[in-house]
Amino acid sequence: AQSVSQHNHHVILSEAASLELGCNYSYGGTVNLFWYVQYPGQHLQLLLKYFSGDPLVKGIKGFEAEFIKSKFSFNLRKPSVQWSDTAEYFCAVKPGGYQKVTFGTGTKLQVIP
Amino acid sequence: NAGVTQTPKFQVLKTGQSMTLQCAQDMNHNSMYWYRQDPGMGLRLIYYSASEGTTDKGEVPNGYNVSRLNKREFSLRLESAAPSQTSVYFCASGQGNNEQFFGPGTRLTVL
Repeated sequence: AQSVSQHNHHVILSEAASLELGCNYSYGGTVNLFWYVQYPGQHLQLLLKYFSGDPLVKGIKGFEAEFIKSKFSFNLRKPSVQWSDTAEYFCAVKPGGYQKVTFGTGTKLQVIP
Repeated sequence: NAGVTQTPKFQVLKTGQSMTLQCAQDMNHNSMYWYRQDPGMGLRLIYYSASEGTTDKGEVPNGYNVSRLNKREFSLRLESAAPSQTSVYFCASGQGNNEQFFGPGTRLTVL
């Protein structure tokens, strides 16, 4: 069974600081990888996804993530965060050809103006 | 195009009561999912349905049952609610390898 680890549970940054959130998964085969964001009081929305090809994927609102197969990682980055990025971020993995999706425990990001 | 809808938005139950959470999607997706979200634990999969007519257990299925009524609808039933089932419940749908689309959630409190 696949699993997902997000090591940072709570991150506090000042506006304009750079962000990197870690995500590691365990699954030996082909995977589809996702980052979702949940703003306070709302449901999850997709930030970006990786299926195949270029391991550096760009998403909405200036976010990007890099898939490093050898490290089983899919870290989320943003060069300069804004107060409006305050939210909870979830990494998720879906093994190729299967429909079961596993989420990490989430990272709460607080951006201080 | 409403996406994924869930009813009710809020519910308070007493221990031992039963209830059904309803979910519907209008995106013609094959797969549907039920998650619960608890502080510090992320989203945990309760049950999912890869296609109409099939259902499979997720990580935390105990105390729950599901029905994939048709391609659009996927309901979650609590037969005898317990305080440990106090949570926010999210329904989601998806197609193939693509991302999931989530409903607005149901906040359930079991007293």
